[in-house]
Amino acid sequence: KAGVTQTPRYLIKTRGQQVTLSCSPISGHRSVSWYQQTPGQGLQFLFEYFSETQRNKGNFPGRFSGRQFSNSRSEMNVSTLELGDSALYLCASSWGDSNTEAFFGQGTRLTVV
Amino acid sequence: QKEVEQDPGPLSVPEGAIVSLNCTYSNSAFQYFMWYRQYSRKGPELLMYTYSSGNKEDGRFTAQVDKSSKYISLFIRDSQPSDSATYLCAMRTTSGTYKYIFGTGTRLKVLA
Repeated sequence: KAGVTQTPRYLIKTRGQQVTLSCSPISGHRSVSWYQQTPGQGLQFLFEYFSETQRNKGNFPGRFSGRQFSNSRSEMNVSTLELGDSALYLCASSWGDSNTEAFFGQGTRLTVV
Repeated sequence: QKEVEQDPGPLSVPEGAIVSLNCTYSNSAFQYFMWYRQYSRKGPELLMYTYSSGNKEDGRFTAQVDKSSKYISLFIRDSQPSDSATYLCAMRTTSGTYKYIFGTGTRLKVLA
């Protein structure tokens, strides 16, 4: 059974640009969550989607947005990139409407220069 | 003060030792408590989760939650070099304002 797939694995963007990251959950999983991991702040919850609806949201500015498609695949978008957005962005999927038993992908390493 | 506190380590132990990893928290609304293991350049892997208080055992791993003290622990018995990783605790609420908070992680090195 394939795991959670995130693309791309690495990305370099310039300040002010926007970026879209993709996440394909484990087959059959309907919940997708996104997280930001940095050395300074650790792992922080961004938002969670279930059946194409955003269920929960962390404490991040509106520049961070996401969506989920009918096949449960999800995208995360960051607009007007700042240097501080450089981080590992992780996606996790789970079966039901709770992200407690979540399976993580390997992440997308975003560097903003 | 952070809602979840975790000693960053590093914690070095000899192979075969019992490892104790801990987190404290301040928000009494947390009801689910998770432990993740993260190897370098990999995403976190869920080891165990516990709902409310009590103990849970899975092989060499035991998770304990003491809600009265707002303290959770993960014990690793017969530690192996392959257990060397960063261990993150995480907690989430089940009602009211949704929060899913991770500890900063403890780096563990098990020496052969």
